[in-house]
Amino acid sequence: DAGVIQSPRHEVTEMGQEVTLRCKPISGHNSLFWYRQTMMRGLELLIYFNNNVPIDDSGMPEDRFSAKMPNASFSTLKIQPSEPRDSAVYFCASSLVYNEQFFGPGTRLTVL
Amino acid sequence: KQEVTQIPAALSVPEGENLVLNCSFTDSAIYNLQWFRQDPGKGLTSLLLIQSSQREQTSGRLNASLDKSSGRSTLYIAASQPGDSATYLCAVRYGGATNKLIFGTGTLLAVQP
Repeated sequence: DAGVIQSPRHEVTEMGQEVTLRCKPISGHNSLFWYRQTMMRGLELLIYFNNNVPIDDSGMPEDRFSAKMPNASFSTLKIQPSEPRDSAVYFCASSLVYNEQFFGPGTRLTVL
Repeated sequence: KQEVTQIPAALSVPEGENLVLNCSFTDSAIYNLQWFRQDPGKGLTSLLLIQSSQREQTSGRLNASLDKSSGRSTLYIAASQPGDSATYLCAVRYGGATNKLIFGTGTLLAVQP
C-alpha cells in the first residue's frame, strides 16, 4: 500500500506567486483532510472532504486559499497569491469516514 | 469548547524505562481517540485508534487506555528505546456528524541511551 502521496515535497516560491499542492489519498478512503503545521500555531485543520464533498472549510485562513477534490483519488490545495506567512508544512490525510486517519509526508512550503 | 490537553509538554527518560503519556479532553462524548507519533521533519504516523466503547488497545510495546468519564487517555510505552524519541500527539474525534480530529499540543519524548 503506497499510503497518502503528496507532491511536491518541497516548494520555494516568491510572494505573490500561485502555489498548488497535490494529494492522492489511500485507495478506498472516502475522507480527505488538509492540515497546516507551524511552530507557532501547531497543527491546524484547514478543510476536509467526505465523498469528494467539502464538509468543513472553517479552518481555511482566507480567500487566498482554495481546495478541490474532483474525484476520489485526487485533491489540490491552492494558494493565490502566496504570502511569506503561508510558509509552513502542509499535510494531507485520508481515512474511511470516522475511522483512523493516515497522514502523508507533507509539503514544506517556503514563500520568500 | 472542546479541547485536548497533553501534559507534560516534554519528557526525558533513560532507555529501558516504562513510561506513560497523558491526554485529557473536556467533553466525554467522544467517538474515538487516536494516538500519533511525529519524528522531526516527518509526517504523523498513526499508532493506535481506540473507540469510545473500548477501554484499551494494544500494539506491541504500546498500550492506550481510555476513560471517558474522567476525560483521560494514557499511552503506555514499555521498555523504552532511543528509537521511541519523537513527539506524541493524541487526537479526539467527538460525536455527532463531524469527522474532525481535535489535536493536543503533543509531548516531546526523549529516550536517553
